[in-house]
Amino acid sequence: DAKTTQPPSMDCAEGRAANLPCNHSTISGNEYVYWYRQIHSQGPQYIIHGLKNNETNEMASLIITEDRKSSTLILPHATLRDTAVYYCIVSSSGTYKYIFGTGTRLKVLA
Amino acid sequence: EPEVTQTPSHQVTQMGQEVILRCVPISNHLYFYWYRQILGQKVEFLVSFYNNEISEKSEIFDDQFSVERPDGSNFTLKIRSTKLEDSAMYFCASRMGVVAFFGQGTRLTVV
Repeated sequence: DAKTTQPPSMDCAEGRAANLPCNHSTISGNEYVYWYRQIHSQGPQYIIHGLKNNETNEMASLIITEDRKSSTLILPHATLRDTAVYYCIVSSSGTYKYIFGTGTRLKVLA
Repeated sequence: EPEVTQTPSHQVTQMGQEVILRCVPISNHLYFYWYRQILGQKVEFLVSFYNNEISEKSEIFDDQFSVERPDGSNFTLKIRSTKLEDSAMYFCASRMGVVAFFGQGTRLTVV
């Protein structure tokens, strides 16, 4: 089973920030938090990852709580093209296989 | 930007036939994966592959499945005798550091 819990769906107005939460209360010290998204049935697209510190790249920001039990993905200015299913994944150490949950279906509204 | 390439994008096969799904991972990556997604369901891990051998496999990856890296660039998934329930999207992924990158998938339809 996935080690993460996400809300099944969220809406966001175009141009506004989308904040997607994720709980991973059983995360181990050496496990990373990854965020991917999937548009229709395309391959999962990497967004961002982090271990302990907050991270930012050209796509998004990742805020990880100090106890690492939860995180938030922030899309600063959501566009219609950001409509997708967003997956929060905690890696399995060793082979780094991913166990996908059901994700959050984000709908960006015009 | 380097990407994982999968061929074909769509494959239709008759039940009982063998299929080979092909993937070209990102060139300097060392770890390779196959995942599948049945329509409307979660993405499921099938197998991981490193140093020319399987490093981990799921319960789904039974004897009808095999993987190979035949020529140092391609990474293939073979399904020996396809069943209707093998119909799914199959995604290949590759990794060098701690992040895996996925291909766009092969839609396998078994009729």
